[in-house]
Amino acid sequence: NAGVTQTPKFRILKIGQSMTLQCTQDMNHNYMYWYRQDPGMGLKLIYYSVGAGITDKGEVPNGYNVSRSTTEDFPLRLELAAPSQTSVYFCASSPLEYNSPLHFGNGTRLTVT
Amino acid sequence: AQSVTQPDIHITVSEGASLELRCNYSYGATPYLFWYVQSPGQGLQLLLKYFSGDTLVQGIKGFEAEFKRSQSSFNLRKPSVHWSDAAEYFCAVSSGTYKYIFGTGTRLKVLA
Repeated sequence: NAGVTQTPKFRILKIGQSMTLQCTQDMNHNYMYWYRQDPGMGLKLIYYSVGAGITDKGEVPNGYNVSRSTTEDFPLRLELAAPSQTSVYFCASSPLEYNSPLHFGNGTRLTVT
Repeated sequence: AQSVTQPDIHITVSEGASLELRCNYSYGATPYLFWYVQSPGQGLQLLLKYFSGDTLVQGIKGFEAEFKRSQSSFNLRKPSVHWSDAAEYFCAVSSGTYKYIFGTGTRLKVLA
């Protein structure tokens, strides 16, 4: 059982480039989330989805976009990368029940130079 | 607004010593509380959770946490720390929807 899988693990982008961070889960979870983790700042919610076809903004959505065409996949798109987007990105999922614990992927470390 | 505070950024303990990591939350209703651990280069792993009932909850790896409503706290404890416990620990509260608020984390260093 793979859980939540994120690719790539590492990436270096130049300012203005774009990329997609991939996230897939095999637990049939309805809810999926994207967080970014910056030193000393904890985790900040970028976007979340409560099911296929439904997405919503979190605390820090600017500069990002998401889609949820299937239950399994929740890619995060960065357009026009900026140095402020240098961070570690985590995808997470949880089942249908309220307040269920989150299951996290191992993260993508992104550097924008 | 809901918030979670972990007042200790870094904690250093000797192997075999006891450990307490502090977590204070601000939330109007009964909170759903979690502790997660993050090893280097890894995602967050659930240690334990509190939803209701017994205020002392047991988790994996010998950890426990106590919910104290009067103090708005949910401190994590372990009687005897092992070198493998060195990691970063996050307290989180669920706001009753599908959103979770995380503290800023406490990095634990274990001395041999």
